[in-house]
Formats: sequence, structure tokens, C-alpha cells
Amino acid sequence: DAGVTQSPTHLIKTRGQHVTLRCSPISGHKSVSWYQQVLGQGPQFIFQYYEKEERGRGNFPDRFSARQFPNYSSELNVNALLLGDSALYLCASSTTRSQGADGYTFGSGTRLTVV
Amino acid sequence: AQKITQTQPGMFVQEKEAVTLDCTYDTSDPSYGLFWYKQPSSGEMIFLIYQGSYDQQNATEGRYSLNFQKARKSANLVISASQLGDSAMYFCAMRGLNTGGFKTIFGAGTRLFVKA
Repeated sequence: DAGVTQSPTHLIKTRGQHVTLRCSPISGHKSVSWYQQVLGQGPQFIFQYYEKEERGRGNFPDRFSARQFPNYSSELNVNALLLGDSALYLCASSTTRSQGADGYTFGSGTRLTVV
Repeated sequence: AQKITQTQPGMFVQEKEAVTLDCTYDTSDPSYGLFWYKQPSSGEMIFLIYQGSYDQQNATEGRYSLNFQKARKSANLVISASQLGDSAMYFCAMRGLNTGGFKTIFGAGTRLFVKA
């Protein structure tokens, strides 16, 4: 089975531009979460989606938005990019909404550089 | 508020020896889960081990064990018989299970270097 796949793997954008990051969860996983990992820090929670509905949101500005599609894949959108948005964006999937003891399965991430 | 603290920015260990990576946490949630993840230079986060707050025994997964001391709010990861491939960043994480369980909090990480 394929793992969590993210695209693109690397991206360079200019300040003020818009970016869309994509994630396909493991087959059968209905929950997708997005995390931002700035260099030298641990991942920070952005969003969780389950069954196409937003279940949780972290402390990020409204420039960040996401959605989940009927096939459970997901997009993370960031508008009006700032230099501080440069980071590794990680997508994680799991089987359940509450997740409980489920460890996430992460993708390899999208490295976004804003110049 | 929930918080994870990893006080060791970097650790060195000799190949084949054991190493302990420290993690302390703070939460008001009476039911929570503790996790450890490994992040190699490739960037992918790899789930290693889980400990539930009500589990009576310490979790073990192969060469990984979690030294859970609830009263001290610590959840240290022990890696036995270190291998060169264990060189990576290690993150301690926590999820409150009573609050919908949708958000996992990560620490700042510890970089482990395994010496031949």
C-alpha cells in the first residue's frame, strides 16, 4: 500500500503569492491533519479534517485554509505569503476522528521557501 | 494549556549502547496519549511508540521503550543497542484524549548522533 503522499516536494514562491499544497492519505484513512515545521522546531498543528469536515484548527491566521475531498485527499492553501511561512509542511493521516492511540502516518512533506 | 519540553538539543551515543531521550509534559486533560516520533534527514516523521496515561505498564516496541513516570509528568524514550541508522531528530508529542483528540502537541526535538 502507498503511504501518505504529498506534492510538490519542494516549492519556491515570492512574497504575496498564493500556494496550494496537496496530500493523499493512506487508503482507508479518513482523517488528515496538516502541520507546519519551521527549521529547528517541532511541528505545529494547523488543521485536522475528518469526513470532509474541519474538526480542529490551530493558531494560524485566516490566510491559511484547507479542505478535504470525497476521496479524503486534502489541500492546504496559503494566501499572501510571508517570509515567515517558509517551512516544511507535513500532512498526516489516521483512521479515526479522535485518533486516540493512533500514531499518525506522515508524508515526507512539502518544503516551501518564500523569497 | 498543553506543553511538551525536551531539554536536550543534541545527544551523542556510542553504537550498541543505550541512550535515554528526555521528555516532560504538562496538561490539564485527565486522559492523554504520549508519542515519540523519529525524523531522519529526509524529513518524514516516523511513529515509534505510544503510551496512554492510564496504561499501567511502560510501552515497548522492539528496541524502543518509554519510561513513563506519571507523577513526574515525564515520558522518556530509551533506545537500546543504538545503531548508526538511529541518528535523527526525535520528537516527543502529546494528545489530549478528552478534548476531541484532534490536536497533537510536539516538543522542540532532540538530535541524536550515533558514533561508530
